Amino acid sequence: EPEVTQTPSHQVTQMGQEVILRCVPISNHLYFYWYRQILGQKVEFLVSFYNNEISEKSEIFDDQFSVERPDGSNFTLKIRSTKLEDSAMYFCATSGQLNTEAFFGQGTRLTVV
Amino acid sequence: GENVEQHPSTLSVQEGDSAVIKCTYSDSASNYFPWYKQELGKGPQLIIDIRSNVGEKKDQRIAVTLNKTAKHFSLHITETQPEDSAVYFCAASDSSYKLIFGSGTRLLVRP
Repeated sequence: EPEVTQTPSHQVTQMGQEVILRCVPISNHLYFYWYRQILGQKVEFLVSFYNNEISEKSEIFDDQFSVERPDGSNFTLKIRSTKLEDSAMYFCATSGQLNTEAFFGQGTRLTVV
Repeated sequence: GENVEQHPSTLSVQEGDSAVIKCTYSDSASNYFPWYKQELGKGPQLIIDIRSNVGEKKDQRIAVTLNKTAKHFSLHITETQPEDSAVYFCAASDSSYKLIFGSGTRLLVRP
């Protein structure tokens, strides 16, 4: 069964440092998403990406966040200057069509110290 | 924007019993309602979904019902098994590029 792959599985970083979270989407999928889940809380939408541009973003996705698909394969989320409150599980998700099943990766646990 | 409320936050049932989880949504434009199961240390996995032109959908032991007038949708699991123990999330989407999730229900099935 096709799956979304995320790396790393766990990232520990110092406050103020930049982090890049990576995702390899399912090969024929066109819609890419990042969600985050603070420990014990609901899954929150961050951003969606289609046709090499951001389609929609939430209030959480401020200027410190960026996404790109640099090589047509990996889909990345960059946090420029991490804050303690960025500590969360970050999930990449992809779908083949709009408003259909979104397949989630295993997540990257980001810990900012 | 859309807001999804989910109840209960925790649910404990005896193996073999049924479990029901309920969600309400606020945006009448929402038309796609998936349910995800999240096991410890894993990402959410779709278990069933329903669209607004359907009132009920069933897949083996799992069923989902939708009441568009009341903006309610529910997940029903029959003949529960210990492996059904997980956190379940409902979500809603209005054909935009995002899912809005409920707060989750931790289901425990006691053997």
